[in-house]
Amino acid sequence: NAGVTQTPKFRILKIGQSMTLQCTQDMNHNYMYWYRQDPGMGLKLIYYSVGAGITDKGEVPNGYNVSRSTTEDFPLRLELAAPSQTSVYFCASSLGSGHRENTGELFFGEGSRLTVL
Amino acid sequence: GNSVTQMEGPVTLSEEAFLTINCTYTATGYPSLFWYVQYPGEGLQLLLKATKADDKGSNKGFEATYRKETTSFHLEKGSVQVSDSAVYFCALSTSGTYKYIFGTGTRLKVLA
Repeated sequence: NAGVTQTPKFRILKIGQSMTLQCTQDMNHNYMYWYRQDPGMGLKLIYYSVGAGITDKGEVPNGYNVSRSTTEDFPLRLELAAPSQTSVYFCASSLGSGHRENTGELFFGEGSRLTVL
Repeated sequence: GNSVTQMEGPVTLSEEAFLTINCTYTATGYPSLFWYVQYPGEGLQLLLKATKADDKGSNKGFEATYRKETTSFHLEKGSVQVSDSAVYFCALSTSGTYKYIFGTGTRLKVLA
């Protein structure tokens, strides 16, 4: 059982470049999330999705876009990379509210470390 | 709004010492409370949770009790090991929503 898989694990971008962080989960979870983790700042929610075709902004969405065409995949796109986007990015998923089996637990990927120079 | 405050680190302890990491929260309604752990180079994983007042979550020797009267969920372990070195995050989620609020994390370093 792979859980939540993120790629790439590391990436260096130049200012103004674009890239997509991939995230896929094989647990048939409805809810998926993208967080960024900055030193000493905890996790900040970028975007989330409660199901295929539905996405919404979190606390820090500027400079990012997402899509959710399938239940499994939730890619995060950076259109014009800026040094402020240097961070570690985590994708997570959960079963979602309304499910009897839902324990509230978030399942995280291993993270993607992005550096913008 | 909802928030989580946890003690700043780093916390450095000798092996077999007693551990407490404080966590307090502000929330409307009745949130579920969590402790997540992040080992070096890995994503976060659930350590323990509690869903209502006076519940005690426990796992791997760690414990935390949901105290509504003090709005706290302090993490404790009676005897830490070097392998417990990690960053610990307190978090809450409010019922029926997507919202998970994380604390800033507390780094624990255990010395042999």
